[in-house]
Amino acid sequence: DVKVTQSSRYLVKRTGEKVFLECVQDMDHENMFWYRQDPGLGLRLIYFSYDVKMKEKGDIPEGYSVSREKKERFSLILESASTNQTSMYLCASSWGLAGDTQYFGPGTRLTVL
Amino acid sequence: QKEVEQNSGPLSVPEGAIASLNCTYSDRGSQSFFWYRQYSGKSPELIMFIYSNGDKEDGRFTAQLNKASQYVSLLIRDSQPSDSATYLCAVNANGNQFYFGTGTSLTVIP
Repeated sequence: DVKVTQSSRYLVKRTGEKVFLECVQDMDHENMFWYRQDPGLGLRLIYFSYDVKMKEKGDIPEGYSVSREKKERFSLILESASTNQTSMYLCASSWGLAGDTQYFGPGTRLTVL
Repeated sequence: QKEVEQNSGPLSVPEGAIASLNCTYSDRGSQSFFWYRQYSGKSPELIMFIYSNGDKEDGRFTAQLNKASQYVSLLIRDSQPSDSATYLCAVNANGNQFYFGTGTSLTVIP
């Protein structure tokens, strides 16, 4: 079974703090993704990576950065957290082949005060 | 802009009935289509995928795809209270990126 893990289920941070969210997958997947999910807005892609050290902006990259130094690990960084970044953050991974599905981690509920 | 649209619901059906969930997509180049189920506070889990026009059945679930109409649907037969969740439609056009609808909330009433 594919396993995607995220470093925290719940996180509370203060405005202006630097926040790191980590995601690890154990299936040697090429692609990894970071989404945020908000009520009424669905899943919105922040960044994705199709190879080590490669990254592509998604639909809402502003205020975020990412790092992928190893194939299995994809980190999302909030350089200076703001209250409008309070959300559910979901990591996913896939092989990157046509027809392949994405596998999701359990999610991190981030609250920025 | 690649778009995937779903009715947000909520959709309510009595236990034992058929629930019908619908999704349309805008990119004619889309190749594969997925239905995810998401319980409140949990992450999405894959329940069905379909690549070819027609129907695909898996237990109580049937996915239907019509590429000419750019339409994909999910039927849940003999609906159970445990099927109460939000159902996300997703479309994959090129292998790398997925596009998700905003989800349809389903409630199965005992």
